[in-house]
Amino acid sequence: QVELRESGPRLVKRSETLSLTCSVSGDSINNYYWSWIRQPPGKGLEWIGDVSHTGADTYNPSLRSRVAISVDTSKNQFSLKMTSVTAADTAVYYCTRGGGGFAWFDPWGQGTLVTVSS
Amino acid sequence: SYVLAQPPSVSVAPGHTARLSCGGNNVGTKTVHWYQQKPGQAPVLVIYNDRHRPSGIPDRISGSNSGNTATLTISRVGTGDEADYYCQVWDSNGDHPVVFGGGTKLTVL
Repeated sequence: QVELRESGPRLVKRSETLSLTCSVSGDSINNYYWSWIRQPPGKGLEWIGDVSHTGADTYNPSLRSRVAISVDTSKNQFSLKMTSVTAADTAVYYCTRGGGGFAWFDPWGQGTLVTVSS
Repeated sequence: SYVLAQPPSVSVAPGHTARLSCGGNNVGTKTVHWYQQKPGQAPVLVIYNDRHRPSGIPDRISGSNSGNTATLTISRVGTGDEADYYCQVWDSNGDHPVVFGGGTKLTVL
């Protein structure tokens, strides 16, 4: 059974960098693409970007200038960094298996609420 | 950019059938995936590639996609089906590769 778990600071100051890591168990990170998706409180889903085991990445154009997704195959983890955060970046951040231009997203991590404070 | 339109809410009586629509320009030429999200929980894939159910998803849940509308159908609706439902496609020709619909809140009366 594949499980994903997000970890990282839940409170980030405005203008600083949000950093999250997703730990994957039950599957090798070498086998798929992996994505980050976020959901502001009370709103819908927004895809942030994805990464393959080779490090090939694709991003939501709306966020591309501030986002980087990387992979660590030795730890079976992938990570998200988002710079210059504002209150609009306050959201539940989910990591999920899927991406690469065609695949569905399954399964999802439990999600972690990251709040941007002033 | 490509847009998927979902009605904000749908209500259905217990035991009846709910049909949730996902409209998009020629969405029938794309592959649609559906997710169920219950309050406080992560989304769960319920339909992939228009009509396929992951293991563990009951056959009361089905999907179809043609023309400008994809549809998620839930038969014999129960209180456990109350959730938000999101459709999703990949838009390789657009500037946003991944497109989610705005979501439909299914209420069981």
